[in-house]
Amino acid sequence: KAGVTQTPRYLIKTRGQQVTLSCSPISGHRSVSWYQQTPGQGLQFLFEYFSETQRNKGNFPGRFSGRQFSNSRSEMNVSTLELGDSALYLCASSLPQLAGVNEQFFGPGTRLTVL
Amino acid sequence: DQQVKQNSPSLSVQEGRISILNCDYTNSMFDYFLWYKKYPAEGPTFLISISSIKDKNEDGRFTVFLNKSAKHLSLHIVPSQPGDSAVYFCAASARANDYKLSFGAGTTVTVRA
Repeated sequence: KAGVTQTPRYLIKTRGQQVTLSCSPISGHRSVSWYQQTPGQGLQFLFEYFSETQRNKGNFPGRFSGRQFSNSRSEMNVSTLELGDSALYLCASSLPQLAGVNEQFFGPGTRLTVL
Repeated sequence: DQQVKQNSPSLSVQEGRISILNCDYTNSMFDYFLWYKKYPAEGPTFLISISSIKDKNEDGRFTVFLNKSAKHLSLHIVPSQPGDSAVYFCAASARANDYKLSFGAGTTVTVRA
C-alpha cells in the first residue's frame, strides 16, 4: 500500500507570495492533518480534515487555510508569505479513529523556504 | 502554549546501553500518549503508545512508562542501537478534543558505536 505523498518536496518563495501544498493520503484513510515543523518548536498542529470538512484547527492565523477533496486528497494554502513561515510542512493521514488511537502516518514533508 | 514538553533537546548514548527520553505534559485531559521517531528527510513514524489507564507498555526494545500524577512519561530503549539515532517526538491527545495531537519539541538521540 502506498504511503502518504506530498508535493512538492521543496519550494522557495518570496515574502508576500502565496503557496499551495498538496497531500495524498494512504488509500482508505479519510482523515488528513497538517503540521508545521520548525527547529525547537516541534510539530505544531495546523488543521485536520475529515470527509471534506475541517474537524479541528490549531492556533495559526487565517493566512493558513486548507481543504479536502472527495477522494480525501488535501491541499494547504498559505497566503501573504512571511519569513517566519519557512518550515517543514508535514501531512499525516489516519483512519477516523482506531480504538481511540490516533496513530497517524506521515508523509515526507514539503520544505518551504521564504526569502 | 506548549502543552507537551521535552526538556532535553539531545541525548547521546553508547551502543548497547539504555536510552531514556522524558516528556512532561500540562493538560490533565490527555488520555493517550504516543512516541514518534523521525529520520532526516523523512516524516515521523509511529513507535509506541500508551493509554492513560495503563502505566507501562512494552514493545520489543521499547518501553513507555506513564506517571499520571506527575504528568510525566518516558521512553526507554534497551539496548540502544546505531539505527536508533533519530529525533524522537512525544505526543499526546485527548478524546475530548477528537484526539488532536499535541507534540513536544523533540529529542535528538545519537547512539555512539
